[in-house]
Amino acid sequence: GAGVSQSPSNKVTEKGKDVELRCDPISGHTALYWYRQSLGQGLEFLIYFQGNSAPDKSGLPSDRFSAERTGGSVSTLTIQRTQQEDSAVYLCASRTGQVNTGELFFGEGSRLTVL
Amino acid sequence: GNSVTQMEGPVTLSEEAFLTINCTYTATGYPSLFWYVQYPGEGLQLLLKATKADDKGSNKGFEATYRKETTSFHLEKGSVQVSDSAVYFCALSAYSGGGADGLTFGKGTHLIIQP
Repeated sequence: GAGVSQSPSNKVTEKGKDVELRCDPISGHTALYWYRQSLGQGLEFLIYFQGNSAPDKSGLPSDRFSAERTGGSVSTLTIQRTQQEDSAVYLCASRTGQVNTGELFFGEGSRLTVL
Repeated sequence: GNSVTQMEGPVTLSEEAFLTINCTYTATGYPSLFWYVQYPGEGLQLLLKATKADDKGSNKGFEATYRKETTSFHLEKGSVQVSDSAVYFCALSAYSGGGADGLTFGKGTHLIIQP
């Protein structure tokens, strides 16, 4: 497709279960970001991938969170042993390789609800 | 570190009213500044941007001027429409030379336009 695609769009899970969220960026975009959007908290940076470089994981809130990007394209964000405070919308964004232009292209997000 | 502060919402206006959403920032160096908009049920999309002091970004009747002296990037529109109802995010991009060079977002301002 032409835009950033995320799945699932909605996920309801029980506390303690693991979840995987998928992001398919725009073709040719080398940079990929995961953000978390919580009510009243704005957008929180989680992790950043750029080409073949080691990812910047500085925003991951705990070791229950991890992400990988296979083949420089699709990315998966995994949350292990989910907690209720993990409930949020998880947004993926991608951009071209140019730095400091700042234009990110966002997917529609995956809404996670932990019961 | 970098930070963005924008006015809390929700902001409720009548159709055809004048809109101002305030945004101020803290950053080292010379950041680029952005306004992103998130319509209901959709991902964020870039509304406008400015890359250097005194630049004015504009799109869809919205404008914002990069004011370095006041570290501000206020969003304005002369006559709002019901279709402008959305959440607006102010953001900055300041290349750090390594690690995540994505965007630092404000918490978002929910705009509600009543007919």
